[in-house]
Amino acid sequence: SQTIHQWPATLVQPVGSPLSLECTVEGTSNPNLYWYRQAAGRGLQLLFYSVGIGQISSEVPQNLSASRPQDRQFILSSKKLLLSDSGFYLCAFEPGTDYGYTFGSGTRLTVV
Amino acid sequence: AQSVSQHNHHVILSEAASLELGCNYSYGGTVNLFWYVQYPGQHLQLLLKYFSGDPLVKGIKGFEAEFIKSKFSFNLRKPSVQWSDTAEYFCAREGQNFVFGPGTRLSVLP
Repeated sequence: SQTIHQWPATLVQPVGSPLSLECTVEGTSNPNLYWYRQAAGRGLQLLFYSVGIGQISSEVPQNLSASRPQDRQFILSSKKLLLSDSGFYLCAFEPGTDYGYTFGSGTRLTVV
Repeated sequence: AQSVSQHNHHVILSEAASLELGCNYSYGGTVNLFWYVQYPGQHLQLLLKYFSGDPLVKGIKGFEAEFIKSKFSFNLRKPSVQWSDTAEYFCAREGQNFVFGPGTRLSVLP
């Protein structure tokens, strides 16, 4: 079966520290992968998506970057976190067009 | 475990039919509730949201949802669907974490 794993579940980081959130998918090949962020009480904002290894598209210019070193691995990073980076981060995959999203359980990031 | 369930995997309707998609959540505390839509080939869009106040929430494109706390439900409704409403619909709730339901695929026949 197709599953998605995202970690850590919660993270508290000081301003200026680096960030690495990891997401892995099982049970499917060459999925479309996504990173979303939701600020408290607001809708989802698409940050990055990837249609293949090494292929990253950015939707919103900001302090974050994404990488896809393997087919089923998607990493969200930052070199120096800002207070405004706090939020709930969701990884998602799409096995193919029109299959819909499967979301990870999310990471709640608090930058202090 | 915190969860969101959606009653139907796939709903097929004719144009002008009324729509109701079920959504139930397990978390018993204060929650924010959302309905998202994903049209074919597009990314998720927010249809409507409920935080507090009037339990009947109006969203975009003629959609509405009713929050019934006693039933832990947040069903999505539209009185008359159109072919362009064909999409995948996701119920979601924000509590301790942000949890999406598995989605309901709506197919509207012209």
